[in-house]
Amino acid sequence: DTEVTQTPKHLVMGMTNKKSLKCEQHMGHRAMYWYKQKAKKPPELMFVYSYEKLSINESVPSRFSPECPNSSLLNLHLHALQPEDSALYLCASSQGLADQETQYFGPGTRLLVL
Amino acid sequence: GEDVEQSLFLSVREGDSSVINCTYTDSSSTYLYWYKQEPGAGLQLLTYIFSNMDMKQDQRLTVLLNKKDKHLSLRIADTQTGDSAIYFCAESANDMRFGAGTRLTVKP
Repeated sequence: DTEVTQTPKHLVMGMTNKKSLKCEQHMGHRAMYWYKQKAKKPPELMFVYSYEKLSINESVPSRFSPECPNSSLLNLHLHALQPEDSALYLCASSQGLADQETQYFGPGTRLLVL
Repeated sequence: GEDVEQSLFLSVREGDSSVINCTYTDSSSTYLYWYKQEPGAGLQLLTYIFSNMDMKQDQRLTVLLNKKDKHLSLRIADTQTGDSAIYFCAESANDMRFGAGTRLTVKP
């Protein structure tokens, strides 16, 4: 089973709303990632968690707040977003953080900020 | 400049072979990947190759790696309309670095 699931599939929110994106994997992977993908662009890394601890934050604005409640779950809390934050948000996981660890991606949450 | 480069578009006829090319700059990459992304979907891992290999074949997919030239290619044999998608090359020397993606269009 190489499945990473993400909910919701689509999300529309206003700039004053608070919402959360969820990601789950049951492959026993200890590294999980959030990526942002704008239309016609490759994914851009946002955050990396390793063993439930934040390992990398790629200078992401504080209106995005990641959380890793346990080794299978990764959340991304959204607050006071801007229209330019509209994008596909992809979660991925890998066995560990080493460069030879293959990342498996979820289907993404398509976010529209009005 | 980009660490991973790909041409942006490729158009082929159904039944022909498709070859998508990629160049990368970091010679310390251990693995190189091909991901497929269909419209509105996430990234699907297609295949990957370890950096000490020259070739890997998996059904209709053949990956060729020229480590000296830092050139990676993906060949899809007997291309079908369902193969129409964006194909991302990626290398993982440190973080995962993606190319811009090649949009493959398969014409019937």
